[in-house]
Amino acid sequence: GAVVSQHPSRVICKSGTSVKIECRSLDFQATTMFWYRQFPKQSLMLMATSNEGSKATYEQGVEKDKFLINHASLTLSTLTVTSAHPEDSSFYICSVPRLRGTEAFFGQGTRLTVV
Amino acid sequence: GESVGLHLPTLSVQEGDNSIINCAYSNSASDYFIWYKQESGKGPQFIIDIRSNMDKRQGQRVTVLLNKTVKHLSLQIAATQPGDSAVYFCAETSRGTGANNLFFGTGTRLTVIP
Repeated sequence: GAVVSQHPSRVICKSGTSVKIECRSLDFQATTMFWYRQFPKQSLMLMATSNEGSKATYEQGVEKDKFLINHASLTLSTLTVTSAHPEDSSFYICSVPRLRGTEAFFGQGTRLTVV
Repeated sequence: GESVGLHLPTLSVQEGDNSIINCAYSNSASDYFIWYKQESGKGPQFIIDIRSNMDKRQGQRVTVLLNKTVKHLSLQIAATQPGDSAVYFCAETSRGTGANNLFFGTGTRLTVIP
């Protein structure tokens, strides 16, 4: 069964609105989760590291005020895309590492379309 | 507007043939590597991993080879099946630094011809 649950799988929103994406670790507690973004026919690009109980760490070029990350519990991290614009349309994927320096389990992804 | 970016390399193979997918990595400090399979509209799925103290690891129908000298990784799929059609990514991380985030390669789209 799924180890990581990500919701919603698809969302369409109007330009200027905010969208929240949830990532849940189902089988184990996760002090760290990762958020990736993937454009069509491209690879996964790490956006940020979500840290339980502390601020997220953002990769260079990722606006932290635009992509708000909250890791309020050991099983849930949320990514909120604020004031979404069409260029934010993408496939967003979260992952949970099994152990430090090991493979990560991925959510099923969220297809965001901003119209 | 449409994003303009690097298009994925593609590999087409006949059903039943073996497939070899290659990946070059750049970080000499990386010591753990993973191959993931991603089907359309889904998140990546773990296939096989290898640590830097090994140069070969085998799984069910899959083999990963690691050449640290030239920073090259390959995934071999035996007797490729239509269900193997997907995009394959290699990913690397450096456990020695304490990091556990993965960095992904470009990816290769594998198409299996029945």
